[in-house]
Amino acid sequence: DIQLTQSPSFLSASVGDRVTITCRASQGISSYLAWYQQQPGKAPKLLIYAASTLESGVPSRFSGSGSGTDFTLTISSLQPEDFATYYCQQLNNYQALTFGGGTKVEIK
Amino acid sequence: QITLKESGPTLVKPTQTLTLTCTFSGFSLSTSGVGVGWIRQPPGKALQWLALIFWDDEKRYSPSLKSRLTITKDTSKNQVVLTMTNMDPVDTATYYCAHSPGSWLVLDYWGQGTLVTVSS
Repeated sequence: DIQLTQSPSFLSASVGDRVTITCRASQGISSYLAWYQQQPGKAPKLLIYAASTLESGVPSRFSGSGSGTDFTLTISSLQPEDFATYYCQQLNNYQALTFGGGTKVEIK
Repeated sequence: QITLKESGPTLVKPTQTLTLTCTFSGFSLSTSGVGVGWIRQPPGKALQWLALIFWDDEKRYSPSLKSRLTITKDTSKNQVVLTMTNMDPVDTATYYCAHSPGSWLVLDYWGQGTLVTVSS
């Protein structure tokens, strides 16, 4: 199975901060990666797919980059509604569409 | 608009079989490329992908749980059913179903989730 390692697992930031979350795959997955946001008690929400394509309706302060094994999710200016847990998911392996371990973004 | 809703028991006993139903609207599972997946999340833990069924009845399972999972669809009822055998307390989780548009295998619409507790 392809493993996804997210870092950090937790980060504390302030409104207006630029935040970067990393997702590393155990083997190359080209651009087959998505990012989700999960608010407490809610279902996950798709933010980005194909590593860098913004899902319709997602604010432009979110961006994704990377290919192969290393990917990043960046929030250019953190807003109050962005405090949540973020997950990456690899979409390359038909056998197991694994998720990363999550990154919780909390208010500093 | 696309909606999905999970239903099933909230409490199962160890060794029992869990049957969950995802009832959806706003799309057809006979449309080329479309799929419905199941994902779970133990309390306070990360998401875990379980299974995915496609419009053409192709099925994919998590390798670590494959022997315990079965996913089926009833296109006429707009339902997808997941069964998981030999339930254990570690299977206690919120179970979600989600729509996949087929491109990139993303999960773009999710149900609200249903909490299943495994306890005697």
